[in-house]
Amino acid sequence: GAVVSQHPSWVICKSGTSVKIECRSLDFQATTMFWYRQFPKQSLMLMATSNEGSKATYEQGVEKDKFLINHASLTLSTLTVTSAHPEDSSFYICSASRPNSPLHFGNGTRLTVT
Amino acid sequence: GDSVTQMEGPVTLSEEAFLTINCTYTATGYPSLFWYVQYPGEGLQLLLKATKADDKGSNKGFEATYRKETTSFHLEKGSVQVSDSAVYFCALINSGGGADGLTFGKGTHLIIQP
Repeated sequence: GAVVSQHPSWVICKSGTSVKIECRSLDFQATTMFWYRQFPKQSLMLMATSNEGSKATYEQGVEKDKFLINHASLTLSTLTVTSAHPEDSSFYICSASRPNSPLHFGNGTRLTVT
Repeated sequence: GDSVTQMEGPVTLSEEAFLTINCTYTATGYPSLFWYVQYPGEGLQLLLKATKADDKGSNKGFEATYRKETTSFHLEKGSVQVSDSAVYFCALINSGGGADGLTFGKGTHLIIQP
């Protein structure tokens, strides 16, 4: 079964509002989770590395004030898209590493900003 | 639905050995194909891609050719190094089916011994 749960799977919001996406590791503790973004028909791009109990590490070009990441516990990381705009519409995916096991992905969240 | 199958690991090789990681796919339409790499403790990175049949993607000494007739996208490298130790993921985007999400293989853990 799934080992990483991502919620919601899709969301539609109005421009200017904020949206929170959750990523949970279901049966293991993940000290590190990763957030990715995929534009339509394009490859997956790493946005940031989420570290439990500390600030996230953002990739170059990703606005940390726009995409707020919180990793408050060993099983939960959240990505909040603040003051969303239509250009933020995308597919967001999280992943988590399990000890001695390859990376596990969430099912992704499709965000549409109108 | 779409699917990606890649050889299970771990794959253990000696330095300077020839590497092949097999990847086959099932998809409708004309997918784009990708190889991603995850180094220990890091997020996923795009390694190479090919968007149409007979295209060859290459990067860092790795190559993969899009073979539509065999629905394959095998990853190869002529001489591996210890620094190539990582988990490798084969993936596709189905441009014909209208889906924007990626379909990943389960990953192949590669271990290169000095």
